[in-house]
Amino acid sequence: QVQLVQSGSELKRPGASVRVSCRASGYTFTSYAINWVRQAPGQGLEWMGWINTDTGKPTYAQDFAGRFFFSLDTSVRTANLQINNLKAEDTAVYFCARAPGITVAASFDFWGQGTLLAVSS
Amino acid sequence: SYELTQPPSVSVSPGQTASITCSGHKLGDKYACWYQQKPGQSPVLVIYQDNKRPSGIPERFSGSNSGNTATLTISGTQAMDEADYYCQAWASGTAVFGGGTKLTVL
Repeated sequence: QVQLVQSGSELKRPGASVRVSCRASGYTFTSYAINWVRQAPGQGLEWMGWINTDTGKPTYAQDFAGRFFFSLDTSVRTANLQINNLKAEDTAVYFCARAPGITVAASFDFWGQGTLLAVSS
Repeated sequence: SYELTQPPSVSVSPGQTASITCSGHKLGDKYACWYQQKPGQSPVLVIYQDNKRPSGIPERFSGSNSGNTATLTISGTQAMDEADYYCQAWASGTAVFGGGTKLTVL
């Protein structure tokens, strides 16, 4: 069965970096894009961008260009999200979600369990 | 930038029909999908491409999309349907989510 398993919760200081991983199983990894979605405490869903798992090319939403980086380790079917120079406002749950390609008809059919990131001094 | 607007909350009695709307400029010209999110859980896709149900989603969930409004309809609403619901569409290569609607079954 399709699974996206994310790494565990993180507590970081402002200015530090963090990497969140998303390990896929149960399907052909390179046939589906991996998207990243942020959910701040008590807030809605915010799309951060996606990575083409076939080419490795990342695409970032406008608000997430600069400190946020997507990468792959295809040998272990894993997508990674790295956030640099952490700020308190990065405190949120981060989800990975797969999509069968990025087209106007695409939807996120499977989601990871979410990774809670807390940024505090 | 493109925006999707949802009512913050909708209430429904058990067994009745709940309708949750999502408004955006010419949304009917795009594909809309809907996600259900229960507290502490990941979102679950319940409707894609306006009106299609993924495998395992009950038939009481249906969707429509025309003009500027997409609608998620839950027929015979059950207590287990109480959750936050988010619409989503693509605009200029960007995935856009609505602000979410809290469905209360009381």
